[in-house]
Amino acid sequence: AAGVIQSPRHLIKEKRETATLKCYPIPRHDTVYWYQQGPGQDPQFLISFYEKMQSDKGSIPDRFSAQQFSDYHSELNMSSLELGDSALYFCASSLESAQETQYFGPGTRLLVL
Amino acid sequence: AQSVTQLGSHVSVSEGALVLLRCNYSSSVPPYLFWYVQYPNQGLQLLLKYTSAATLVKGINGFEAEFKKSETSFHLTKPSAHMSDAAEYFCAVNLSWTDKLIFGTGTRLQVFP
Repeated sequence: AAGVIQSPRHLIKEKRETATLKCYPIPRHDTVYWYQQGPGQDPQFLISFYEKMQSDKGSIPDRFSAQQFSDYHSELNMSSLELGDSALYFCASSLESAQETQYFGPGTRLLVL
Repeated sequence: AQSVTQLGSHVSVSEGALVLLRCNYSSSVPPYLFWYVQYPNQGLQLLLKYTSAATLVKGINGFEAEFKKSETSFHLTKPSAHMSDAAEYFCAVNLSWTDKLIFGTGTRLQVFP
């Protein structure tokens, strides 16, 4: 079965640079979620989209923005990167709402030097 | 406010022994509860979820969890541990009016031969 696809899988950036992470949900899934997992920590919810509209927002820095496109894929844009942004970024997708199971992608590991 | 508490950041068992990973939640209304497993350098995989249909939930890989409202618990068990069960396990909670999953701090399971 098709799973959530994230690209790139690994990314190395310098401080103050920008990064764009991409997420391709499971086919027919219309809801996408972004989570950040710091080293040795639990995943923290950043933001979610349903039918291309932002549906919920968590602890996402103002330097970050995200959107969901007409084909339901989503991109997380991160600007003015800081050392503390180094983390594993997960995308998850589901049908309609979070009460449906969220299926997670393999994650993008971002390292900011 | 809702939160999830996982007692024990590390649990070690012998192969073939009972696995018990503890999870307690705090919520004023019955939540949706999930257990996810994360293998090293991989994404989060759903083990099982509780959505009020049945208090005993069976998941993949022989795991199950029992929802106990009186104890506000959702402990994960497996009768006989296998070496391949060694991983990080996260309990998560979700309420109906929010998209986000709130994760516990995780429990790292080690299985010794």
